[in-house]
Amino acid sequence: DTGVSQDPRHKITKRGQNVTFRCDPISEHNRLYWYRQTLGQGPEFLTYFQNEAQLEKSRLLSDRFSAERPKGSFSTLEIQRTEQGDSAMYLCASSFAGGPLSADTQYFGPGTRLTVL
Amino acid sequence: AQSVSQHNHHVILSEAASLELGCNYSYGGTVNLFWYVQYPGQHLQLLLKYFSGDPLVKGIKGFEAEFIKSKFSFNLRKPSVQWSDTAEYFCAVNRRQAGTALIFGKGTTLSVSS
Repeated sequence: DTGVSQDPRHKITKRGQNVTFRCDPISEHNRLYWYRQTLGQGPEFLTYFQNEAQLEKSRLLSDRFSAERPKGSFSTLEIQRTEQGDSAMYLCASSFAGGPLSADTQYFGPGTRLTVL
Repeated sequence: AQSVSQHNHHVILSEAASLELGCNYSYGGTVNLFWYVQYPGQHLQLLLKYFSGDPLVKGIKGFEAEFIKSKFSFNLRKPSVQWSDTAEYFCAVNRRQAGTALIFGKGTTLSVSS
């Protein structure tokens, strides 16, 4: 068990560019989550997957954001036409849930820090 | 909508002092409750969790928390803090039935002086 990994750890981009982040969950975890954290705030939920299905999206996830988990393993989060307001730490978490209504414990990765200039 | 309030933004203690960090949530249904910790330069780690059963839960490193349903609270405690407890602490909640998105408080920064 190597934990949740995220790549890259840091990303600096210019406004208007597209960026993509990757998350590799703990192996055999069937749920994967994306959160965003800004300075002085707790993480805010963006979206989550159960296996390859995206089951919930926050209203924070504008049309410029898209997430995929094509084979139920790793996930990508893409931000198109980045804006300065997108600057934040993007966190990925994974968990194992035995059933659709099962309580689960989310384990977090180190995050990708995005800076939009 | 669910929300989580952490009353203390920054707590400063000396080593061996006792700690209590407040957490209140707003949600009328059944919830799961968590405390996460983020040490300087590290990622979020789970300290302890409450799903059901005994409302007093014990976590790692001597931390414990008590769920008081009538007060919608889940306060974190430690009888004697150490310098190594310096970190940011986050309380989080999610719905018991099917909902899994965690709602976090804004966090409490704990600084422990040796």
